[in-house]
Amino acid sequence: SQKIEQNSEALNIQEGKTATLTCNYTNYSPAYLQWYRQDPGRGPVFLLLIRENEKEKRKERLKVTFDTTLKQSLFHITASQPADSATYLCALPPYYGNNRLAFGKGNQVVVIP
Amino acid sequence: EPEVTQTPSHQVTQMGQEVILRCVPISNHLYFYWYRQILGQKVEFLVSFYNNEISEKSEIFDDQFSVERPDGSNFTLKIRSTKLEDSAMYFCASSEEAGGPGGELFFGEGSRLTVL
Repeated sequence: SQKIEQNSEALNIQEGKTATLTCNYTNYSPAYLQWYRQDPGRGPVFLLLIRENEKEKRKERLKVTFDTTLKQSLFHITASQPADSATYLCALPPYYGNNRLAFGKGNQVVVIP
Repeated sequence: EPEVTQTPSHQVTQMGQEVILRCVPISNHLYFYWYRQILGQKVEFLVSFYNNEISEKSEIFDDQFSVERPDGSNFTLKIRSTKLEDSAMYFCASSEEAGGPGGELFFGEGSRLTVL
């Protein structure tokens, strides 16, 4: 099944800058990929879904890209705010034709005022 | 806004005891899931449930685990004889569809299980 890799080191970023997170997967390219936000001690919250035929998706200050050649998705938070501090999870089907989600370990973002 | 609710928020139990975690998924959703997250680890899939039966389960979901939808609203996870390694946050989730657009998961706030 898939191995989903996200940077284990926290990303510390100054308020107002753009945070960029990476999600790499190792095997087959999924039909879609999702990003979630998780705050400490709370359940993940869905943010964005991008399909394999979409290069880019935006929602307010969030942008996701999906490069099936590189087997990679990038997640951007523009004009970051302290309230954006959280862990961001990448999720995708663990193998072809499967509909459940496997999650990466997540990448913590800390926005410094 | 509709939400997934879970009870209890925290349960402490002795090793070997039975535990039931309860969830009320979003009312018009058809697919239900249990995930767990050991402290500091990733969110791991346990089981998915559709049309009153298990549609998929992971290797974690062994004979000690069971799920049930006893009525039209509740969805429960039972651990028959808890082990120390079952200590984790257990998340219930539901979705309108299985996978793809519309397949985004709506998670509850979790039930923290501590096994002593």
